[in-house]
Amino acid sequence: QSVLIQPPSASGTPGQRVTISCSGSSSNIGSNYVYWYQQFPRTAPKLLISRNDERPSGVPDRFSGSKSGTSASLAISGLRSEDEADYYCAAWDDSLSDPWVFGGGTKLTVL
Amino acid sequence: QLQLQESGPGLVKPSETLSLTCTVSGGSITSNSYYWGWIRQPPGKGLEWIGSIYYSGNTYYSSSLKSRVTISVDTSKSQFSLKLNSVTAADTAVYYCARHDYSSLSYGMDVWGQGTTVTVSS
Repeated sequence: QSVLIQPPSASGTPGQRVTISCSGSSSNIGSNYVYWYQQFPRTAPKLLISRNDERPSGVPDRFSGSKSGTSASLAISGLRSEDEADYYCAAWDDSLSDPWVFGGGTKLTVL
Repeated sequence: QLQLQESGPGLVKPSETLSLTCTVSGGSITSNSYYWGWIRQPPGKGLEWIGSIYYSGNTYYSSSLKSRVTISVDTSKSQFSLKLNSVTAADTAVYYCARHDYSSLSYGMDVWGQGTTVTVSS
């Protein structure tokens, strides 16, 4: 069981807006930055959202991140077939002996 | 553009030591004083942080792996390394090296290597 909880799957049709949630606690999401990563099969994770809501250079503005309390969300608008991938949230946890925690990942399917 | 590249044996025997190196290019391993980390991903599973090191050599490890892990840095070669001893089949995974995006361990990883697959098998 991952410390950060994500739905195992999500889906949408092209053009739709999809959100992926990431639920944590006061010691991780509640008090630290959230990061989102996109991973295609057999490739390395790619930073999608940094420090809760910052898009690194080159990431389309269709991707956005937000945080409220102990939860965070990744939103993808104008869904495209090439967005089909696994998405992971991550955060530092102040209380754990394993301070870097990841969500279990959400497999996004574009129908 | 900063690039990270993992290297090392793809097959390790049970009870032996897994050794990987991450070579940093396109930037200095000491510039802006970043942290550098190792993360792994078992087949079909999620991401697991192994540990991270500061350019000065300060290290931080996952508690579940701490007794078996050593991370070191060689600034003259722009490399940092991972050693995991007494490996078992459970250590079979893709191993990634990555850079934390600030001079604090609490900031996430922004640049990742392509990953290297390590299989533990006799």
